[in-house]
Amino acid sequence: GIQVEQSPPDLILQEGANSTLRCNFSDSVNNLQWFHQNPWGQLINLFYIPSGTKQNGRLSATTVATERYSLLYISSSQTTDSGVYFCAVDPSNTGKLIFGQGTTLQVKP
Amino acid sequence: NAGVTQTPKFQVLKTGQSMTLQCAQDMNHEYMSWYRQDPGMGLRLIHYSVGAGITDQGEVPNGYNVSRSTTEDFPLRLLSAAPSQTSVYFCASRTLGQGHYGYTFGSGTRLTVV
Repeated sequence: GIQVEQSPPDLILQEGANSTLRCNFSDSVNNLQWFHQNPWGQLINLFYIPSGTKQNGRLSATTVATERYSLLYISSSQTTDSGVYFCAVDPSNTGKLIFGQGTTLQVKP
Repeated sequence: NAGVTQTPKFQVLKTGQSMTLQCAQDMNHEYMSWYRQDPGMGLRLIHYSVGAGITDQGEVPNGYNVSRSTTEDFPLRLLSAAPSQTSVYFCASRTLGQGHYGYTFGSGTRLTVV
């Protein structure tokens, strides 16, 4: 089956710094999502981005489907950005999401 | 608008016991699913449903049963709990309408099997 790999596994930033999280996937996909899990465990859907670029405030995401990777950019990081960021793909858009192992981000004040 | 509601939030079971994790959504979403999250492994799909009366297996279905008798509810049944089922369980839903791909997750159920 399709493999989803995220890097780096862990990231520590000072407040105000920028960061880039990467998601590689081993086969073509019709559906790619980014999620944030906060320190209390709640999962929030950040982006649906099978291709192209989207922005939402300080966060933006880019997926290059032909090269099988997606990037999540966090600018001017805040302590509330801490948590785990997951990339998930649905190869045939049937709802069977396959998650990567996540990037754990800690933003220090 | 409550979104996706999971109960209970915490549960301790003895090996061999059975129980049902409840999931309810009030957004009229056709798609509902169950995931388990283990340390360092991300989330893995257990079962999912695209509508009332329709269910299918995900990556890790063994030891779990589901049914979908209404659009709102999608309970997950553990038939005979095992320590390997100790995990955090998440329910998620989304609409299947064109152009709408966002998932809503419940707050999770932390299950310990001793």
